[in-house]
Amino acid sequence: DAGITQSPRHKVTETGTPVTLRCHQTENHRYMYWYRQDPGHGLRLIHYSYGVKDTDKGEVSDGYSVSRSKTEDFLLTLESATSSQTSVYFCAITGLAGDREQFFGPGTRLTVL
Amino acid sequence: GQQLNQSPQSMFIQEGEDVSTNCTSSSIFNTWLWYKQEPGEGPVLLIALYKAGELTSNGRLTAQFGITRKDSFLNISASIPSDVGIYFCAGQESGGSNYKLTFGKGTLLTVNP
Repeated sequence: DAGITQSPRHKVTETGTPVTLRCHQTENHRYMYWYRQDPGHGLRLIHYSYGVKDTDKGEVSDGYSVSRSKTEDFLLTLESATSSQTSVYFCAITGLAGDREQFFGPGTRLTVL
Repeated sequence: GQQLNQSPQSMFIQEGEDVSTNCTSSSIFNTWLWYKQEPGEGPVLLIALYKAGELTSNGRLTAQFGITRKDSFLNISASIPSDVGIYFCAGQESGGSNYKLTFGKGTLLTVNP
């Protein structure tokens, strides 16, 4: 158990509304990631963080922003949700066992109507 | 960007059979990871491989890092119903930075009791 929680686990929202997803970890891991998972695409990296206030874009970052003000929390924000952002969102951390192994949270299922 | 080709997309087998899934990349990787994902849950790391030719087992699961460093396979022996799920590979490209991974699209395994 890598000590990762995500909230909320499920959310339904309307187009144009802002949405923030939270990832919380309890073991002071430096690297944290946000992915989205869609049928036919697999997991795609949205943004990642390599420390407090240090973030960078992934391959599908348009329409998303992130913030990391504390080691334990990594927030993903959809400023104005669109139907194309309906997806399952996973947070991941790089664990202590090896720098390249990533461990995933339970996911958030987001539906944008 | 980098792509991983994972095959087959799905497998339907009888309990007790052995089964394999494999991934190939167009460039050299320095890490291969294998994950299993069950419905409604996050991916769980099964096996991590770090050296060309490395063969690693985890119970009935065996994975190998290809000699060319462009491929990897996962084998499940004597399958049981609880093996059902999506198995996918992930790799880190040699020379890649900040621990970013590329993911295959997954193989859906169904086991008939």
